[in-house]
Amino acid sequence: AQSVTQLGSHVSVSEGALVLLRCNYSSSVPPYLFWYVQYPNQGLQLLLKYTSAATLVKGINGFEAEFKKSETSFHLTKPSAHMSDAAEYFCAPNQGGKLIFGQGTELSVKP
Amino acid sequence: EAEVAQSPRYKITEKSQAVAFWCDPISGHATLYWYRQILGQGPELLVQFQDESVVDDSQLPKDRFSAERLKGVDSTLKIQPAELGDSAMYLCASSHDRGRDTGELFFGEGSRLTVL
Repeated sequence: AQSVTQLGSHVSVSEGALVLLRCNYSSSVPPYLFWYVQYPNQGLQLLLKYTSAATLVKGINGFEAEFKKSETSFHLTKPSAHMSDAAEYFCAPNQGGKLIFGQGTELSVKP
Repeated sequence: EAEVAQSPRYKITEKSQAVAFWCDPISGHATLYWYRQILGQGPELLVQFQDESVVDDSQLPKDRFSAERLKGVDSTLKIQPAELGDSAMYLCASSHDRGRDTGELFFGEGSRLTVL
């Protein structure tokens, strides 16, 4: 079964700084990988997804992620953090139509 | 923009009582999911429907939880009796991709349950 590890349950950055949220997957077969964002007391919203068409994937709100098979990673980045980026972020492989979520990373943005 | 509708948004109940959550997926979406999210954790799949049929309910605590999607459209998740450990956010999601690995799931805003 596929699974993901999100390093760092809580990441804090200053406004305008680089955002880097780490996700490593465990599978001998590259999965289809998704990043979702969850704002307080709300559901999850798709940021971006990797479906093997391109290793560098651009998503909404200026986020992007690069699939690296050699490192089994799919880290999420944004060049410049904004206060509105404060939320919980989840990396998840899609296994047979089901998303298998990791523990999540809470992003805080300091003014 | 089409959305997944869930109700109620918040529910407070006492242990041993019955509680029910309702979900209306995006029109035309054949696949419907119920996830449970305990505070501070990622969502965990409880049940997956394809049309009116259950595809996966391996993580559903069947002694107290039940889910149905009788006409293949909206769905109800029931808990009876509720226990303290059931306090969580219950998220409904839908997809039009019929179980394909590339399919995007669209989530509702969730129903937050507090069991006292």
